[in-house]
Amino acid sequence: DAGITQSPRHKVTETGTPVTLRCHQTENHRYMYWYRQDPGHGLRLIHYSYGVKDTDKGEVSDGYSVSRSKTEDFLLTLESATSSQTSVYFCAIRGTSGEQYFGPGTRLTVT
Amino acid sequence: GQQLNQSPQSMFIQEGEDVSMNCTSSSIFNTWLWYKQDPGEGPVLLIALYKAGELTSNGRLTAQFGITRKDSFLNISASIPSDVGIYFCAGQPGTGANSKLTFGKGITLSVRP
Repeated sequence: DAGITQSPRHKVTETGTPVTLRCHQTENHRYMYWYRQDPGHGLRLIHYSYGVKDTDKGEVSDGYSVSRSKTEDFLLTLESATSSQTSVYFCAIRGTSGEQYFGPGTRLTVT
Repeated sequence: GQQLNQSPQSMFIQEGEDVSMNCTSSSIFNTWLWYKQDPGEGPVLLIALYKAGELTSNGRLTAQFGITRKDSFLNISASIPSDVGIYFCAGQPGTGANSKLTFGKGITLSVRP
């Protein structure tokens, strides 16, 4: 257990509404990541952070933004949710040897 | 971009049997990771490998970092019903902190009692 929680765990929202997902870690890890997991695609990196206020894009960043104002929290925002953003979202942290540990996930449905 | 190949998509075995699965790439990786994911949960790290040729065990699980750096293997011995789940590999091409993971699509393992 790497001390990672995600909230909410489930969310249903309508197309066009903003949505923010939260990842919280308790172990002071510098690197945090947001992934989405879809059938047939595996895990794909959306954005990552390498410190407070330091973030960068991953391979599927369009339509998503992130913020990290505190070491322990990494927020993922969908400014205007679309049906293609229906997915399971995982947060992860980087361990000391480069391995990553994942949170429990948030299942997001955009109707 | 880089891809990790895992096949077949599904495997069915009898309880008590051993099972091996592999992960291959056309590119070299410096780190190989193996994860298990149960339905509705996040992936759980099983084994991490950092050196070519490295063989590491975790209980009934054994994983190897291929000598070419382009593949890795996971073996589960004496399978039990709770081994059911999705197993996927991940590789990291570089050694720097900004080097990102590439994931395989996973193999769904079913264990018949």
